[in-house]
Amino acid sequence: KAGVTQTPRYLIKTRGQQVTLSCSPISGHRSVSWYQQTPGQGLQFLFEYFSETQRNKGNFPGRFSGRQFSNSRSEMNVSTLELGDSALYLCASSLGLAGVGSETQYFGPGTRLLVL
Amino acid sequence: GDSVTQMEGPVTLSEEAFLTINCTYTATGYPSLFWYVQYPGEGLQLLLKATKADDKGSNKGFEATYRKETTSFHLEKGSVQVSDSAVYFCALGYPNAGNNRKLIWGLGTSLAVNP
Repeated sequence: KAGVTQTPRYLIKTRGQQVTLSCSPISGHRSVSWYQQTPGQGLQFLFEYFSETQRNKGNFPGRFSGRQFSNSRSEMNVSTLELGDSALYLCASSLGLAGVGSETQYFGPGTRLLVL
Repeated sequence: GDSVTQMEGPVTLSEEAFLTINCTYTATGYPSLFWYVQYPGEGLQLLLKATKADDKGSNKGFEATYRKETTSFHLEKGSVQVSDSAVYFCALGYPNAGNNRKLIWGLGTSLAVNP
């Protein structure tokens, strides 16, 4: 079974631009979660989508948004990029809601975004 | 609120040394506890988990026991290898959905093992 894939793997953008990241979950998984990882802040939860509905949201500004399609693929969008948005963005999928019971999350390799 | 606290890194050990990475938590109810590992250049992957008190999770020589009395889930390995160099994350989950339940993550502990 193929793992979680994320595209692109690397991105360089300039301040003020917007970016869209894509995540394809493991086949059959209905939950997709997004995280931002930086050296100083560790792993920060952005949001989770389950069956095309946002089920959980972290403490990020409205510039960060996402969506999930009927095939469970998910996209994350960041508008008006800031220097501080430079990070590794990780996507994780699970069969059910993340963090419930012993549900395991399966992570992709991440998209490394550099904002200049 | 619910939280997970990990020991700060980086932790540097010699090969074959004993490893302990401390993890304590604060939670209502009876959470599930997880250790995830992130190898250089990769995403996170589940290392082990435990779903109830006194459960011991184990994998690849690593072990962690769910201690409700001390609210801890410390990760241990008797003899580390260079290939264990990675960042280790402790996380907490909930027994059922509701109230916007989500995984609660520690900040991660970086481990470097020298030959």
